[in-house]
Amino acid sequence: AQRVTQVQPTGSSQWGEEVTLDCSYETSEYFYRIFWYRQLFSGEMVFLIYQPSFDTQNQRSGRYSVVFQKSFKSISLVISASQPEDSGTYFCALSELITNTGKLTFGDGTVLTVKP
Amino acid sequence: EAAVTQSPRNKVAVTGGKVTLSCNQTNNHNNMYWYRQDTGHGLRLIHYSYGAGSTEKGDIPDGYKASRPSQENFSLILELATPSQTSVYFCASGTGKSAETLYFGSGTRLTVL
Repeated sequence: AQRVTQVQPTGSSQWGEEVTLDCSYETSEYFYRIFWYRQLFSGEMVFLIYQPSFDTQNQRSGRYSVVFQKSFKSISLVISASQPEDSGTYFCALSELITNTGKLTFGDGTVLTVKP
Repeated sequence: EAAVTQSPRNKVAVTGGKVTLSCNQTNNHNNMYWYRQDTGHGLRLIHYSYGAGSTEKGDIPDGYKASRPSQENFSLILELATPSQTSVYFCASGTGKSAETLYFGSGTRLTVL
């Protein structure tokens, strides 16, 4: 069975600092993807970035990048030059390709506060 | 712009009552999903659907039914609501390919008294 763990319930940074949010996961599948979402204070879920398991290159999208350590089943989201607008709850989610249902299994999230 | 719309945004129900949460998507996606989110936790999958007429059990289906009468609409039904079902419910749509992200609605906050 799949499981996603985010051990940091909260995090904080100062404006302009780089922030790293950690995630670990369990899966018996070879092919999967890890997604990162941010939940705004309104509740809206915003897709940020994803990492395919078969891609050894760490993905980047704007100020977001990931550090993917497949052998440790661990992935970190890195936000460069953090801004107060980046505050919110960040979720890591696992999608197993073999089922091809598009289902996501979520971690419990990390609440990030970026101070001005 | 992909759109998933949930109604109502807020709902207060009484224990034992019937509650229906509605979701409409204009993305023409085959798959739709219902998740619940409890305070301080991530989203957990209740039911999902591959298309009109299909419903599948997710990870926590007990106490819930789902209905997919059309490509656009997916409902979550609580026949006998209980206080433990107080939560925020999110609907999402997707192509069904695990490579692609889901598109989420804004959520329905349900309180069962």
